[in-house]
Amino acid sequence: AQTVTQSQPEMSVQEAETVTLSCTYDTSESDYYLFWYKQPPSRQMILVIRQEAYKQQNATENRFSVNFQKAAKSFSLKISDSQLGDAAMYFCAYRSTANYGGSQGNLIFGKGTKLSVKP
Amino acid sequence: SQTIHQWPATLVQPVGSPLSLECTVEGTSNPNLYWYRQAAGRGLQLLFYSVGIGQISSEVPQNLSASRPQDRQFILSSKKLLLSDSGFYLCAWSVRRLAGEITDTQYFGPGTRLTVL
Repeated sequence: AQTVTQSQPEMSVQEAETVTLSCTYDTSESDYYLFWYKQPPSRQMILVIRQEAYKQQNATENRFSVNFQKAAKSFSLKISDSQLGDAAMYFCAYRSTANYGGSQGNLIFGKGTKLSVKP
Repeated sequence: SQTIHQWPATLVQPVGSPLSLECTVEGTSNPNLYWYRQAAGRGLQLLFYSVGIGQISSEVPQNLSASRPQDRQFILSSKKLLLSDSGFYLCAWSVRRLAGEITDTQYFGPGTRLTVL
């Protein structure tokens, strides 16, 4: 079974600085998707960025980028020019592309990293 | 554009009472629908998913059930709530392609905070 590990329960960054959140995963599959979701105090889960495992190029969305190391099974999120609105819980998630058993397209989440942004 | 709604936003219920949480999606047809629960200080746990009307799959044995009476409506229910049912319940949807093929991204609703006393 696949697992997702976020080893940093909490992180802090100064406004306008850069921070990197870590995520590792375990899988025997070669094709899959990886996601970072943000959960602000309102608790709605917001998609930040996604990465297809078959793509070598790291995904980028404005100030958010990932460092995807497939061999190391690592998927870190870098937030540049941090803003106060970036303060939230960040969840890394894995999704298989295989439709086996009953778990079709289900996301497997890490336990999250709480990011604080200091003004 | 697609939107997903959940209600109620907040609910406080006594132990042993019934539960009904509703999720609806607008702006898309034939979505895959999901119910997740997030306990305090934890990540998300998938409870149910549905690939079509009347088609429900359960991931975790529990005190809850789900139904999909309409294409874009997903309901989470319980006949008798337990204290352990407290948590934050999130509904999500994803695009479903032909022949049950699943696309990759799930989009979440605003959630329902359930407190069982």
